[in-house]
Amino acid sequence: GENVEQHPSTLSVQEGDSAVIKCTYSDSASNYFPWYKQELGKRPQLIIDIRSNVGEKKDQRIAVTLNKTAKHFSLHITETQPEDSAVYFCAAPGRDDKIIFGKGTRLHILP
Amino acid sequence: GAGVSQSPSNKVTEKGKDVELRCDPISGHTALYWYRQSLGQGLEFLIYFQGNSAPDKSGLPSDRFSAERTGGSVSTLTIQRTQQEDSAVYLCASSFQRGAQETQYFGPGTRLLVL
Repeated sequence: GENVEQHPSTLSVQEGDSAVIKCTYSDSASNYFPWYKQELGKRPQLIIDIRSNVGEKKDQRIAVTLNKTAKHFSLHITETQPEDSAVYFCAAPGRDDKIIFGKGTRLHILP
Repeated sequence: GAGVSQSPSNKVTEKGKDVELRCDPISGHTALYWYRQSLGQGLEFLIYFQGNSAPDKSGLPSDRFSAERTGGSVSTLTIQRTQQEDSAVYLCASSFQRGAQETQYFGPGTRLLVL
């Protein structure tokens, strides 16, 4: 069946260090992989996405890498800052063009 | 421009009462999702509308939950005979055309508390 696995569920990193969150998906036909950030008490918002014709995409301190052979993609945040503390969700398309979200990663940036 | 709006923002109700939650998607967006999010938890998929296709109701937790989307725009999620475990934030999201290939725009959510 369709599934998106996300790890870890919780991640604590020292301010200034890097954070990596990984997701795997099951539908080999998937070709769009977004990441959403949800700050406490707010709605999820798209922070970066990647389509299957590229292997990596960067936007300042955030990057996403995609390995279609292994069916996994990762979010990388470098030089982490306190405002990066949030819950991050990955997603991938499932059957019938329905988006499937991972269960989320709670990222804590330690002072 | 106008984003996804939801009403009410907060709803307190007594156990056993029915509630209706409303979602106004971005104009022109054909895909609409409802999610439930309990405190500190992930996004629990409830129902998905795509254009004129039959909705995907596979995430609705019981027959007390139903949703409709009239005219391909506004959607209402109805919970009948509410239970305390229904307390959560209910989020609506919409996207343009092929829903899973496009950015999902979330509404601010309705925070439901069942006493």
